[in-house]
Amino acid sequence: GQQLNQSPQSMFIQEGEDVSMNCTSSSIFNTWLWYKQDPGEGPVLLIALYKAGELTSNGRLTAQFGITRKDSFLNISASIPSDVGIYFCAGLDTDKLIFGTGTRLQVFP
Amino acid sequence: DTGVSQDPRHKITKRGQNVTFRCDPISEHNRLYWYRQTLGQGPEFLTYFQNEAQLEKSRLLSDRFSAERPKGSFSTLEIQRTEQGDSAMYLCASRHRGHTGELFFGEGSRLTVL
Repeated sequence: GQQLNQSPQSMFIQEGEDVSMNCTSSSIFNTWLWYKQDPGEGPVLLIALYKAGELTSNGRLTAQFGITRKDSFLNISASIPSDVGIYFCAGLDTDKLIFGTGTRLQVFP
Repeated sequence: DTGVSQDPRHKITKRGQNVTFRCDPISEHNRLYWYRQTLGQGPEFLTYFQNEAQLEKSRLLSDRFSAERPKGSFSTLEIQRTEQGDSAMYLCASRHRGHTGELFFGEGSRLTVL
């Protein structure tokens, strides 16, 4: 099935560092979302973006909806150990979400 | 707990057996989705319902797969004659009609086919 490309595939950072990851698509999406998934659990919604160019924050997380509507970015500031997990972007295609390949984040104390 | 509930959380079965998963969505969410996730991949769309109507099915959903939502509340996903390639996490999600794209996921049902 169709999936969006996320980079980097994995990141290993030290606690307190800032993190940036992105998501690209060959198709245009009018809604972008970011989810976090812990091992053995379902994805949890972090941020939803509805307008091209929109910048939205949720605590230490900031996400942007790319102007071309073919990409999105997620930044995490001052990372903490509980930020560990897999981050997925998703684009809304008609009435269903198409998910990215994921970015695995490891945070070391 | 008012979140999406899935049962069972884990299922181990032998190849050729039938399995059924159940999903209870967040109450008043009229849309219900099934996704499949294999190791190292993002969730892949299988099918979704608006109330009791099944509106779309992915090509990933072979004839061995059937999903129902008979009363517009809970849903079941049945896999007949399981194959080893069916081993995956099966995720259910729901959303309110007004909240475009904001799907809320359950904890998933992990299937292992031996």
